[in-house]
Amino acid sequence: GAGVSQSPSNKVTEKGKDVELRCDPISGHTALYWYRQSLGQGLEFLIYFQGNSAPDKSGLPSDRFSAERTGGSVSTLTIQRTQQEDSAVYLCASSTQTGAKETQYFGPGTRLLVL
Amino acid sequence: RKEVEQDPGPFNVPEGATVAFNCTYSNSASQSFFWYRQDCRKEPKLLMSVYSSGNEDGRFTAQLNRASQYISLLIRDSKLSDSATYLCVVNPTGSARQLTFGSGTQLTVLP
Repeated sequence: GAGVSQSPSNKVTEKGKDVELRCDPISGHTALYWYRQSLGQGLEFLIYFQGNSAPDKSGLPSDRFSAERTGGSVSTLTIQRTQQEDSAVYLCASSTQTGAKETQYFGPGTRLLVL
Repeated sequence: RKEVEQDPGPFNVPEGATVAFNCTYSNSASQSFFWYRQDCRKEPKLLMSVYSSGNEDGRFTAQLNRASQYISLLIRDSKLSDSATYLCVVNPTGSARQLTFGSGTQLTVLP
């Protein structure tokens, strides 16, 4: 079946502009996660959704970052007033449940470059 | 100290070689452990979970040492297609919803 999809695959924006990144999880997956991977770095957890609610927003780096999920499916990560340090690959993952041993399936990511 | 630490490598090995990666984690209460594989400019994919008694999947063997808080991955008879970055992943507590990723160990298998 279809995997996790993300759009756009690449985004170049100017400093100060807002961007929206979209994630379509695997159908039926109730848990959705956003991560950020900077060049040569490990993945950094941003936020997690169970259904439409976000019990854990602890990883969001600043109040410029927000995310929502509607209909228990698509999620949007919004970065307002982008800064150059926001440049990274933003990865979305989904899983069937939120148990500690659940496998997370990743999308291909959105490569964001802030000029 | 990082929550999950790995030797970044790179490891360059000839085809057929055996190679081992280690990873240490800081939270002694961690309950779930995984190895993910990430190809260049691709998303991470689960390679295998790591169980307390150790587990094997074909040429890959994973082991967990809770006392020393380290995880290992052994690749036998390495193939060119094994070239990738291997990510050590820990779930810090059983109730946590996020995975903590190491920065990865880069492996290149040479012909």
